Amino acid sequence: EAGVAQSPRYKIIEKRQSVAFWCNPISGHATLYWYQQILGQGPKLLIQFQNNGVVDDSQLPKDRFSAERLKGVDSTLKIQPAKLEDSAVYLCASRNTGTEAFFGQGTRLTVV
Amino acid sequence: AQSVTQLGSHVSVSEGALVLLRCNYSSSVPPYLFWYVQYPNQGLQLLLKYTSAATLVKGINDFEAEFKKSETSFHLTKPSAHMSDAAEYFCAVSLSGNTPLVFGKGTRLSVIA
Repeated sequence: EAGVAQSPRYKIIEKRQSVAFWCNPISGHATLYWYQQILGQGPKLLIQFQNNGVVDDSQLPKDRFSAERLKGVDSTLKIQPAKLEDSAVYLCASRNTGTEAFFGQGTRLTVV
Repeated sequence: AQSVTQLGSHVSVSEGALVLLRCNYSSSVPPYLFWYVQYPNQGLQLLLKYTSAATLVKGINDFEAEFKKSETSFHLTKPSAHMSDAAEYFCAVSLSGNTPLVFGKGTRLSVIA
C-alpha cells in the first residue's frame, strides 16, 4: 500500500512570497489533515477535510493560509504572503474511519 | 476539548534499560489514544493505538502502552532500549475515528551506549 505523498520536501522562500504544498493521500481515505509542526513542538492541526469538504479549519490563519481538496483526493495548502513565523514542517495525514492517521514525510519550509 | 500532556521533554536511558515515556490525557468521552515516533527529517510513524479494546496495547519494536482510565494515562514502555530507539515520541488523543488527533509536545528519547 502506497503511503501519503508530499512535495516538495524542502522549500526556502523570502518573507512576503507565496508558497504551495501538495499532498496525495492513501487511496480511499476520506479524511485528510494538514498539520503545522514548529521546531521542538508537537503537530498542530491547521485543517481537516472529509472527502472534498472542510470539517474543521478553526485554527487555519485564513488571512494568509488557504487549502483545497479538489475531487476529494489530492490537496494543496498555500501560504500568501509568508511570514518568518511560518517556518515549520507541514505534515499531511490521511485516515480511514476508526483507524490511525497515516502521515507523509512533510515539507520543511524556511522563510528568510 | 481534548488535550495531552507529556511529562518530560527529554528522557535519557542506557542501552538495555527500561524505557518509560509518560502521557496523560483529558477527554470528555472515551478516547482513541496513539503513540507516534518521529525520526529526524521524517514524518510520524505509528507505534501503537488504543481504540477501546484491550487496555494493554502492544505495538511495533516491543513497545507497549496501558490505558488507565482512572489515572487518565497512556504511558509508553519498552523493556530494553536499543540505540535505534533514539527519536522524538508523541502521544495523541482523538475523540472518535474521524476527529483530528491532538498531540502532546513530544518527548525526545536519548539512548546511551
